[in-house]
Amino acid sequence: RKEVEQDPGPFNVPEGATVAFNCTYSNSASQSFFWYRQDCRKEPKLLMSVYSSGNEDGRFTAQLNRASQYISLLIRDSKLSDSATYLCVVDTGTASKLTFGTGTRLQVTL
Amino acid sequence: GAVVSQHPSWVICKSGTSVKIECRSLDFQATTMFWYRQFPKQSLMLMATSNEGSKATYEQGVEKDKFLINHASLTLSTLTVTSAHPEDSSFYICSESSGSYNEQFFGPGTRLTVL
Repeated sequence: RKEVEQDPGPFNVPEGATVAFNCTYSNSASQSFFWYRQDCRKEPKLLMSVYSSGNEDGRFTAQLNRASQYISLLIRDSKLSDSATYLCVVDTGTASKLTFGTGTRLQVTL
Repeated sequence: GAVVSQHPSWVICKSGTSVKIECRSLDFQATTMFWYRQFPKQSLMLMATSNEGSKATYEQGVEKDKFLINHASLTLSTLTVTSAHPEDSSFYICSESSGSYNEQFFGPGTRLTVL
């Protein structure tokens, strides 16, 4: 089983749509969870950290379910500029190291 | 977030040559930096953890004699790919972990092509 699993997509959605991405992780010792965004041929950029109580940042909402070892990201009112690959990232439980999922690709169209 | 720079942004070299990549933390004194590699359509894979003033810690399967890491100051870590071969062609990215929640901030990456 992969340490971090994501649906690779692509998700093709029209502008204004709501889209949800899911991620599961295998290490029950993980304590830090993140969503990163990666544009084509660029470095990953932190989108948001995911806290136990769930958190929201504008159109983006992240949820964490520790019992099921499951993380989600909801994007409301999708914009063309949201088109990117979204990486689910989890700490390994040791020495600040992170494990990355392969990413879910989102394409927002007119 | 923290500001990290990398140089060069891309490099093309002949097989057998060595390539040095620099990673600088511009606004934070980083005792620890991380080096990743990303092949097309794959996730980032951690290669090694670079520790200021001491030896790097390499992940399983990464040859320490091939990928030389030097972290001589709190703002600079270098990765040297020695005797590069075409299979070393990849996107190399560094990061530092200055976030309070363990988040990492990445440099813009170096695209290496070995002919």
